[in-house]
Amino acid sequence: SYVLAQPPSVSVAPGQTARISCGGNNIGSKSVHWYQQKAGQAPVLVVYDVRDRPSGIPERFSGSSSGNTATLTISRVEAGDEADYYCQVWDSSGERVFGGGTKLTVL
Amino acid sequence: QVHLVQSGAEVRKPGASVKVSCKASGYTFTTYYIHWVRQAPGQGLEWMGIINPNGGTTTYAQKFQGRVTMTRDTSTSTLYMELSSLRSDDTALYYCARERAAPAWSGFDIWGQGTMVTVS
Repeated sequence: SYVLAQPPSVSVAPGQTARISCGGNNIGSKSVHWYQQKAGQAPVLVVYDVRDRPSGIPERFSGSSSGNTATLTISRVEAGDEADYYCQVWDSSGERVFGGGTKLTVL
Repeated sequence: QVHLVQSGAEVRKPGASVKVSCKASGYTFTTYYIHWVRQAPGQGLEWMGIINPNGGTTTYAQKFQGRVTMTRDTSTSTLYMELSSLRSDDTALYYCARERAAPAWSGFDIWGQGTMVTVS
């Protein structure tokens, strides 16, 4: 089955840019979604179809993908962005696959 | 407002079954697929399967084939996920989440609040 690899943790200072990677075989050809999950809460969709944002999600959240890596970029990071972030794709068998998650710490 | 409201916490013994419900409101029930996703304590998200409320067709993750059944009741706009032969490692928070299929799969944009299932 398809595997997505994320770094376990990323740390960034407030106001800086955080980049969270999601590695998968030829992921650049797939539709990638990203979710933010704050402690004790259900996940929230922050980017869908590689680079689109649902209504209500700040422009500071953006996505890109090429080759074997997709990236979620959070600009001008705020304390409220501290959360776990998960990438997700639809593999060829029809199953959905999540990455292992990345804990974003705002220093 | 769009909501997915799930049933309350459950405790089961190993070998038993559990059935979790997810009631949809605020949108046309048959226009969004519903996924079930679980999260063990301190762990990541795990996809279990998908149901099309319009017709009831399902696709289950290979890991859960034979143990999971997803159904829906269109008269009450409610989805159900039943997991059988429970083990201790099935202890998790179970979520339902919706996804639009047209014009393209667009990610899980609305999630239920989660249902804690404890197997002990």
